[in-house]
Amino acid sequence: AQKVIQVWSTASRQEGEELTLDCSYETSQVLYHLFWYKHLLSGEMVFLIRQMSSSTAKERSGRYSVVFQKSLKSISLVISALQPDDSGKYFCALWEPASSGSWQLIFGSGTQLTVMP
Amino acid sequence: GPKVLQIPSHQIIDMGQMVTLNCDPVSNHLYFYWYKQILGQQMEFLVNFYNGKVMEKSKLFKDQFSVERPDGSYFTLKIQPTALEDSAVYFCASSLGLPFSGNTLYFGEGSRLIVV
Repeated sequence: AQKVIQVWSTASRQEGEELTLDCSYETSQVLYHLFWYKHLLSGEMVFLIRQMSSSTAKERSGRYSVVFQKSLKSISLVISALQPDDSGKYFCALWEPASSGSWQLIFGSGTQLTVMP
Repeated sequence: GPKVLQIPSHQIIDMGQMVTLNCDPVSNHLYFYWYKQILGQQMEFLVNFYNGKVMEKSKLFKDQFSVERPDGSYFTLKIQPTALEDSAVYFCASSLGLPFSGNTLYFGEGSRLIVV
C-alpha cells in the first residue's frame, strides 16, 4: 500500500491565483518529517518546505506555506500568487524511521502543475 | 543553492554489462542516497549511506547493486550485471545531517539508464 498519496496527478491555474496541493500519508511513527519538493525540467529535485511532526508552527517559506493536519495525516502545500515559472511537478515526501533504526524518505506520485499566463 | 551533480546524465548499456553511476554530492554533506524512478512511476528509495557504510536499503536494492564512496570522491552506484528492469532514472541525493536535525536532502538531476 502506498504510504504517501497525492490524489491529483495534474492541476492548472491562472497566473496570480493561489493553489493548494493535497497530500496524505500513513505512518505509525511519532516522530517524522514531511517535505515538499519541486521537480524541475532539468531533472533536479528542489526542496521547497519542511514540516516536522512535532511542530505546531505554521511553516512558511516565501510564497510557499503548508497546512498540516496531523490528526488527519494530511499536509497540503499552498502556493500563493502563482507565476508561470511555478509550473512543474510537485512531490510530497515522508521521512520516517525505518525498521533498522535508520531513516528513509518516501515520495508520493507527484502532481503536475501548469500555470497559465 | 547547493548542487548535487550526477554523471552520466544518460547511458545506454547492454543487458549483463556493468554500469557505474557517479554522484558528486554537496561538498560538506555526510549522508548520501540513491533513488530509482521507473518511467511513469514514483521515485523509490534504494539506499542511504553514511560514514562509509550502508545504513538502510530497500528491497529494490538487489544483490547486483553496490554503493561506495572511496576516499571522499564520487558516491557511486554500481550495477553488475544489469538487467532490463534496471532501466530507470537514478537520483542521487545528499544531506548534511539527518532531517530530524533540521537538514534537508538535495537531489541531483538524475542519471537515465537504459538497459537493452
